[in-house]
Amino acid sequence: DAGVIQSPRHEVTEMGQEVTLRCKPISGHDYLFWYRQTMMRGLELLIYFNNNVPIDDSGMPEDRFSAKMPNASFSTLKIQPSEPRDSAVYFCASSLGGSVNQPQHFGDGTRLSIL
Amino acid sequence: GDSVTQMEGPVTLSEEAFLTINCTYTATGYPSLFWYVQYPGEGLQLLLKATKADDKGSNKGFEATYRKETTSFHLEKGSVQVSDSAVYFCALSIPGRRALTFGSGTRLQVQP
Repeated sequence: DAGVIQSPRHEVTEMGQEVTLRCKPISGHDYLFWYRQTMMRGLELLIYFNNNVPIDDSGMPEDRFSAKMPNASFSTLKIQPSEPRDSAVYFCASSLGGSVNQPQHFGDGTRLSIL
Repeated sequence: GDSVTQMEGPVTLSEEAFLTINCTYTATGYPSLFWYVQYPGEGLQLLLKATKADDKGSNKGFEATYRKETTSFHLEKGSVQVSDSAVYFCALSIPGRRALTFGSGTRLQVQP
């Protein structure tokens, strides 16, 4: 079975540019999570969706960040305009159901570098 | 708020040595506890979990016991291998909130 698929794997862009990260969750999973990993702050939850509806976006750092889930098989995380401090690895994860007994499955991440 | 504290790494061991990575937590209510592992260049994978006090999670020779009295969930393995070299994350999830709160991660390096 295909796991969570993220694209691109690496992104290098100049500050001020718009960045779009993409995620395809595991088919049938109804929860989708976006995390950010940095050396300074570790792994932080940015936002998560249930059945395509955002449930908790309290971790989104500021208005420059936005996330959408137009359907059950696709989500985007957009940064506009991007800044050097946004450089990090961004992970998408999905899970089935609301029970903690269902693990979150992570993609391989997008390594973002803002110059 | 909820938080997870892990021992700082890196932890460097020789092959076949005993491993302990400490993890303590602060949470409201009764959280579920997890250990995730991240190999280089990859996403996190669930290693083991425990959902109530005194539960022991185990997988691939790793074990951790949910200790409510000490709010701890230490990861142990009796004999590590070079292939266990990775970053290990302790995490919790509180009832009603599906997202995970992660510790800072502990890098394990196993030398042949």
